[in-house]
Amino acid sequence: EAQVTQNPRYLITVTGKKLTVTCSQNMNHEYMSWYRQDPGLGLRQIYYSMNVEVTDKGDVPEGYKVSRKEKRNFPLILESPSPNQTSLYFCASSWRGHNQPQHFGDGTRLSIL
Amino acid sequence: TQLLEQSPQFLSIQEGENLTVYCNSSSVFSSLQWYRQEPGEGPVLLVTVVTGGEVKKLKRLTFQFGDARKDSSLHITAAQPGDTGLYLCAGLQTHGANSKLTFGKGITLSVRP
Repeated sequence: EAQVTQNPRYLITVTGKKLTVTCSQNMNHEYMSWYRQDPGLGLRQIYYSMNVEVTDKGDVPEGYKVSRKEKRNFPLILESPSPNQTSLYFCASSWRGHNQPQHFGDGTRLSIL
Repeated sequence: TQLLEQSPQFLSIQEGENLTVYCNSSSVFSSLQWYRQEPGEGPVLLVTVVTGGEVKKLKRLTFQFGDARKDSSLHITAAQPGDTGLYLCAGLQTHGANSKLTFGKGITLSVRP
């Protein structure tokens, strides 16, 4: 089954404790991205990657890092999480870029205390 | 200023009613995507409209792209409880080799049995 898999689905942690949210897709998509979804603000793009070893900042990249060492994986790293990063995070992928249908994972709900 | 304004923000209707919701902007888009998101899941693509004035139908859902490619509407005929969810529009803007996909904040639809 074609899918985008995020882990963990839920995480409660404390300020400053490094965490990684993994994202994996099995569709051989070149493009992957991360969004956060907040009430009243909608979906905002954090980072995206057009292909392996190519990453770019989205609209709200501060406090986040990403890497794209393999085509299928695109982890989101919070080196020193803060409470304002409490949010619902989505990973998405598509064949080639923004102009194609985005396939989303089921989301990761992060709470930073 | 939000690039894409979706209205209304919230809508609660009775099963069997018709409804129309909107996605408006002062900017021109190359294409516009509509997604539906259900609780605990990621957004799922419903349709992409590309040509000004284009109308696409998906069962009881009718999508229209404005003639000037600045706005779009979604009409649901005889709404059912299964239509309940968050409806997101996303506009694609291209500038040469670069492109950007921007999401609206969404419309929360509740269809009561």
